[in-house]
Amino acid sequence: KAGVTQTPRYLIKTRGQQVTLSCSPISGHRSVSWYQQTPGQGLQFLFEYFSETQRNKGNFPGRFSGRQFSNSRSEMNVSTLELGDSALYLCASSLNRPDGELFFGEGSRLTVL
Amino acid sequence: GESVGLHLPTLSVQEGDNSIINCAYSNSASDYFIWYKQESGKGPQFIIDIRSNMDKRQGQRVTVLLNKTVKHLSLQIAATQPGDSAVYFCAVLSGYSTLTFGKGTMLLVSP
Repeated sequence: KAGVTQTPRYLIKTRGQQVTLSCSPISGHRSVSWYQQTPGQGLQFLFEYFSETQRNKGNFPGRFSGRQFSNSRSEMNVSTLELGDSALYLCASSLNRPDGELFFGEGSRLTVL
Repeated sequence: GESVGLHLPTLSVQEGDNSIINCAYSNSASDYFIWYKQESGKGPQFIIDIRSNMDKRQGQRVTVLLNKTVKHLSLQIAATQPGDSAVYFCAVLSGYSTLTFGKGTMLLVSP
């Protein structure tokens, strides 16, 4: 079956712009989590959605937001981009609870200039 | 909250050796532990998991050991191969919450 699909894979933005990233989970998976990965901080949890509801949120500023649609596809948005937002943004899906196997996409690499 | 510590940022081994990657966690209530492998340019890939009611679990060439007394877990890879070269992360779940990841150990396997 198809894995987790993230688009776009690469993008370059400038400070102050906003960006929207998309994630299509594995068919049948209802939980979608987002992580930010940087060399200095590693993998940091952004938020998790289940059945269109945000179930958990990490310690990120309000510029980071997300949503989930009825088909379980998810988007995350970062407004007023800063240089420090440059990172690999990873989406992961699982069947239900977060204590099941997480299947990761290949990520969207964002560069902020 | 949970914090997951890194013991060694890089581990270099020879092909055929056994590799051991370590991880420490802070929350004694943590009950689910996972090891992930991330190859360059790819997302993390599930390797093996273990729950707090177990001390050891084996997979194909991999073994995870959990020591709840000292809050330590390790990943053992037998007969390490060049294809095992990657960054390995441990992740810890405490209750019905989210996974906290360690910063990872880069495993370098030389022929």
